[in-house]
Amino acid sequence: GQNIDQPTEMTATEGAIVQINCTYQTSGFNGLFWYQQHAGEAPTFLSYNVLDGLEEKGRFSSFLSRSKGYSYLLLKELQMKDSASYLCAHKTLKSGGYQKVTFGTGTKLQVIP
Amino acid sequence: NAGVMQNPRHLVRRRGQEARLRCSPMKGHSHVYWYRQLPEEGLKFMVYLQKENIIDESGMPKERFSAEFPKEGPSILRIQQVVRGDSAAYFCASSRNSNRFPRTEAFFGQGTRLTVV
Repeated sequence: GQNIDQPTEMTATEGAIVQINCTYQTSGFNGLFWYQQHAGEAPTFLSYNVLDGLEEKGRFSSFLSRSKGYSYLLLKELQMKDSASYLCAHKTLKSGGYQKVTFGTGTKLQVIP
Repeated sequence: NAGVMQNPRHLVRRRGQEARLRCSPMKGHSHVYWYRQLPEEGLKFMVYLQKENIIDESGMPKERFSAEFPKEGPSILRIQQVVRGDSAAYFCASSRNSNRFPRTEAFFGQGTRLTVV
């Protein structure tokens, strides 16, 4: 998506912590998603934030600042299987009342031993 | 409760042929999104449909591409006279989208990988 920015690639070490940032610009903002996508597979839902703050779910946490148009995904205790692309997406409320989900181009994370 | 079902998983077409991609949403979901993903790239929005209605087709090329979501049956993405540049993975996502349920995730199908030769 042209109005969603995230790094193209990141590398981190097994057992470490990594933070993947996402900035966005949009009107009618109504929530931010993070999805995980392994090569050749469908994206799978990780998290959803609509209010400011941190949402923790096991090894993964997601943070949102609506005023700054900023989110990050935090992955702790990295495992080799976490090597995947991580997609940031926002949901916006359009005229007519429908909600559109727009994705960023994704951050390809490589976990190394 | 079966997930989002897409078929076929892989489709090979010669240049100039037609490609039909099918998507059956999850039970209870009446909203369908189609996305295209080129190798090593992110998901590009194509079209958003509700039953019998196209809500937003701003991401779909004006020519050769069409989409429908009939009252009965799956959503269909149709590409006429395919060209090599149409080769990509096409993902469908469905959601239950109601004002009473703002926390709605879109669930993705496994995708159809179209190869034009």
